[in-house]
Amino acid sequence: GENVEQHPSTLSVQEGDSAVIKCTYSDSASNYFPWYKQELGKGPQLIIDIRSNVGEKKDQRIAVTLNKTAKHFSLHITETQPEDSAVYFCAASSGGGADGLTFGKGTHLIIQP
Amino acid sequence: GAVVSQHPSWVICKSGTSVKIECRSLDFQATTMFWYRQFPKQSLMLMATSNEGSKATYEQGVEKDKFLINHASLTLSTLTVTSAHPEDSSFYICSASATGTDPHQPQHFGDGTRLSIL
Repeated sequence: GENVEQHPSTLSVQEGDSAVIKCTYSDSASNYFPWYKQELGKGPQLIIDIRSNVGEKKDQRIAVTLNKTAKHFSLHITETQPEDSAVYFCAASSGGGADGLTFGKGTHLIIQP
Repeated sequence: GAVVSQHPSWVICKSGTSVKIECRSLDFQATTMFWYRQFPKQSLMLMATSNEGSKATYEQGVEKDKFLINHASLTLSTLTVTSAHPEDSSFYICSASATGTDPHQPQHFGDGTRLSIL
């Protein structure tokens, strides 16, 4: 089955700086890669996703890049703000929303004021 | 849009009792719903996939007689933890997607149910 590795487990950045979280996946059949933000005591919230026919996608301060050959994808957050502090999870699946997701272990992002 | 509601948000019960958790898609029809389990400070692990009107598909190692899933309508799925024991204590989260004829719809998650078995 699919295995998703995520790094780093904790990331602390100064407010206004950029944050980058990286994930690798093992199953070449995976074609859908969402990123979720989870705040304490809440469910994950979809922040951006990318499909395997696209190399990069951007939504305001958030961008995701995908390298299918190397089987890795990354989340980039620019101009970080205190409200960006949360746990971020990457995930992968081979069937879009129709298949269960395999999650990475999460990155605790801390934005220092 | 794409709101998923989960109820209850927190439940505490005695060992041996059964607990039912509801997952509803409020503003869309969910052809597929998923149940995940999350231990403290850990990742989400897929337990099962349910499609409306058919039997759920369980992941390896998940006991289907222990975790009963019913997806009776396009807006409601339920997870029943039968004869719960302390090791079943966890954060249970559902997700739903409006795949239908479009498999490219993302999964939207509920806010989870914290289950504590005494």
